[in-house]
Amino acid sequence: GQQLNQSPQSMFIQEGEDVSMNCTSSSIFNTWLWYKQDPGEGPVLLIALYKAGELTSNGRLTAQFGITRKDSFLNISASIPSDVGIYFCAGHESTDSWGKLQFGAGTQVVVTP
Amino acid sequence: GAVVSQHPSRVICKSGTSVKIECRSLDFQATTMFWYRQFPKKSLMLMATSNEGSKATYEQGVEKDKFLINHASLTLSTLTVTSAHPEDSSFYICSARRGGRNEQFFGPGTRLTVL
Repeated sequence: GQQLNQSPQSMFIQEGEDVSMNCTSSSIFNTWLWYKQDPGEGPVLLIALYKAGELTSNGRLTAQFGITRKDSFLNISASIPSDVGIYFCAGHESTDSWGKLQFGAGTQVVVTP
Repeated sequence: GAVVSQHPSRVICKSGTSVKIECRSLDFQATTMFWYRQFPKKSLMLMATSNEGSKATYEQGVEKDKFLINHASLTLSTLTVTSAHPEDSSFYICSARRGGRNEQFFGPGTRLTVL
C-alpha cells in the first residue's frame, strides 16, 4: 500500500511563481520518480532519480534525491498555466525485486493568470 | 521512446458482462507490466504485477478470479474484468517497466463504466 507522505495536498499559485512539493518515506528507496497527471490521462514521467543527493533538471523542473534516501522534492520555476495538474511522487523500495512503486497522494497544482 | 498504449480508452457495459483491456508497449519490450486502479481525486492503487510468461502477482484484496491478467508477450498485457458490476466502474491504468530500471511508463488509462 501507499507509504509515501506527499505535501502539500494542493497549491494555488499565480503564473510566474515557483512551486515546491516534497515526499517522504518511512523506508529507504533506491529510486525516486516524479509524475504529472492531467485529468482523464495516465501519469507522465517528469524526472527519475537514482542516486542519493542527485539533483536533476528537466526544463523548469528540478528534483532532488534526498541524502537520507527517504525523501525527495520537486520544484517548478516560473509556473505557467499548462503546469496545472496533479503531481505524484513515486519511489522504489530497495528490498523490492519486482519493480513495484509506492505513490504519494498527489499535489494538485492550480495556476491562475 | 517509452510509449505505452491502452485500448479501449473508454468502455460502457452492462452488469454481468466481461470487459478486456489491452496494454501495449509500442517501442520497447516490457518484461514487467503493472495494472492500477484509480478512484476520483485519489492516487494510483496497484492491483497486480504482470510478468511475461508467468502468472500475475495480485495485491492483497484484489480478486484474481475477477481481474484476470494475461501477459502473453513482451509487449502486451491484458486485464479482463469478469462479470463486471457497477462497483467495478473506475479508471484503470497500466504501466510498463523498461529493462532493469525502476521507471514505469504509463498508458493513457481506460475509463470503465458498468451500468
